[in-house]
Amino acid sequence: AQRVTQPEKLLSVFKGAPVELKCNYSYSGSPELFWYVQYSRQRLQLLLRHISRESIKGFTADLNKGETSFHLKKPFAQEEDSAMYYCALRNTGFQKLVFGTGTRLLVSP
Amino acid sequence: DAGITQSPRHKVTETGTPVTLRCHQTENHRYMYWYRQDPGHGLRLIHYSYGVKDTDKGEVSDGYSVSRSKTEDFLLTLESATSSQTSVYFCATRGLAGEGTDTQYFGPGTRLTVL
Repeated sequence: AQRVTQPEKLLSVFKGAPVELKCNYSYSGSPELFWYVQYSRQRLQLLLRHISRESIKGFTADLNKGETSFHLKKPFAQEEDSAMYYCALRNTGFQKLVFGTGTRLLVSP
Repeated sequence: DAGITQSPRHKVTETGTPVTLRCHQTENHRYMYWYRQDPGHGLRLIHYSYGVKDTDKGEVSDGYSVSRSKTEDFLLTLESATSSQTSVYFCATRGLAGEGTDTQYFGPGTRLTVL
């Protein structure tokens, strides 16, 4: 079975502090992992995907197959990073995403 | 925003009444999805479509039906609404991988309250 676990419902940090949003997955095949973000009063949008190995808005995420993790990191949080973050998994060959329960990031001044 | 709109954006209805939510896209994307978003549950797939008149169930499909008679429209129907279906409903679309679209694009959401 495919499952995505985001253990933290809420992560509260101060501006300038490092941020790590945890994501673990269970899937026996070769997964594709994504991070989606939903800012206040905006629609859900893709933040980054593991196959691109890109950095978006200072965020990075590395797929660790040994630990089945895809944690989202940013060295210095900004207030505008406050949002709901969802980790998602897609199995190769299919068109469906399985989402985690989401982590709300709150960055305080 | 991939030209995705949802209607209505807000709806309050009573238990037992039928409700239809509409998702409209202008991107000619093949795949369309309906999710519900609930605190503590994240986004859960209700139904999805991989082409006109081709649909399949997601993980929480009980009590919901869908129809797709045109590429641009994907309808979600609650045959007899229950309070447990109070939620925010999101539509999403995705093009074919070969067209360079490797992501799902989401609509603005519909907030449904069943009293």
